[in-house]
Order: sequence, then structure tokens, then C-alpha cells
Amino acid sequence: DVKVTQSSRYLVKRTGEKVFLECVQDMDHENMFWYRQDPGLGLRLIYFSYDVKMKEKGDIPEGYSVSREKKERFSLILESASTNQTSMYLCASSSRGLPGRFGAGTRLSVL
Amino acid sequence: QQQVKQSPQSLIVQKGGISIINCAYENTAFDYFPWYQQFPGKGPALLIAIRPDVSEKKEGRFTISFNKSAKQFSLHIMDSQPGDSATYFCAASKRAAGNMLTFGGGTRLMVKP
Repeated sequence: DVKVTQSSRYLVKRTGEKVFLECVQDMDHENMFWYRQDPGLGLRLIYFSYDVKMKEKGDIPEGYSVSREKKERFSLILESASTNQTSMYLCASSSRGLPGRFGAGTRLSVL
Repeated sequence: QQQVKQSPQSLIVQKGGISIINCAYENTAFDYFPWYQQFPGKGPALLIAIRPDVSEKKEGRFTISFNKSAKQFSLHIMDSQPGDSATYFCAASKRAAGNMLTFGGGTRLMVKP
């Protein structure tokens, strides 16, 4: 079965910390995405990448950055975590077009 | 301001009944409308999708109805089963914008045995 794997299911961090969320896919997909999921707001795109070292801003990129050094790995970085970044973070991938498969998510709490 | 509005937020249906989830969009440039299904503890998965050149698409018990003039689309789950209990998200995208999806707020469906 194809997989999108997120390194942590739960994370607790303190305000101001630098946070790394890792995502790995084993499908050789070109496109990878980072979303955050909040109740009543659905999923909102933070960043996506269509190739190694390439990235595009989504709807809510402020306070985040990304890194894609290898095709299978896409990292989301919170430069200085804040309480309003407490959320569920979802990674996804696709061969072309829109995301078809997501990871199970990382629930991040910033205290 | 949410560009895709989804209703209801939660829905309880008896086994064998029809589940109906509605979405409305504002941006007429949207030209692709997928639905995602998310089980507890899992990420969303693409369920079914429609383009605006057709009014209906059916896959098994799942049907999307699309009304371009009203800027509305809906998901119907026929013969709903307890295994369909999940959160459903509608979404919309503009092909010209590449891979950008705008999601609705989600509907939590519970199908009672």
C-alpha cells in the first residue's frame, strides 16, 4: 500500500521554539503539500512543492517555511512557534494535480 | 472569508438512509470539485470528484450533483452504512492556479446502526 508518513503523531512545543515537521512519501510523487486543519475551517494550504528545491506559497504561509532537498521528503518549519499555530498538520502528495492521499497528521500543541 | 461553504456541520443518519452534504462556492473560476473522506485518526482521502461540464457523477453509493448556475454541489450517500461514518470535506480548485485547493469546513457524518 502506498504511504505518506509523518514523523510524529503528537508534538508539544513551547512558544518561540523552532519546530520541524517531517513528511516522507514512497510513491515517487512530484507534488507534495502541507495543510493545517482546524475545526470549522477545513484544510488550508500552507505550502506546496512541485519538484525538489521548488516551493510555492499557499493560502497561509506566514510563520512557516518549507524544505524539499529530496523528492520523497518535504519538511515544514515553524521558525518561532506561537500559540496560534496549535493545530493538526497534514502532509499530502500527488503525481500530478491535486492531492489524493494524505498522511495521518501531526497534532501540534504550542504552549 | 470562506470561499467554499459547507453544510451541515454534523449529520446523523439511520443505516440505509440517504446522507446529503451541500457545498456552495463563490468563485466562478473554480473548475474542479473533489470530495474527501476522513476517518478518525487518519488523513483525508480523495473520494470522488466532478468537473462543471457534467451535472452528476456516480461511483457506487456515492453521487455528486452539480448545479453550475446556483454555484452549488452536493454529495449524496445512498444506503448509508455505519462504515461511512467519517468527516467529509468538499473542495474546489482553479486549474489555472495549479494545485491550490480551497476546502469547505467539513461535515461530521454519523450513521446509526
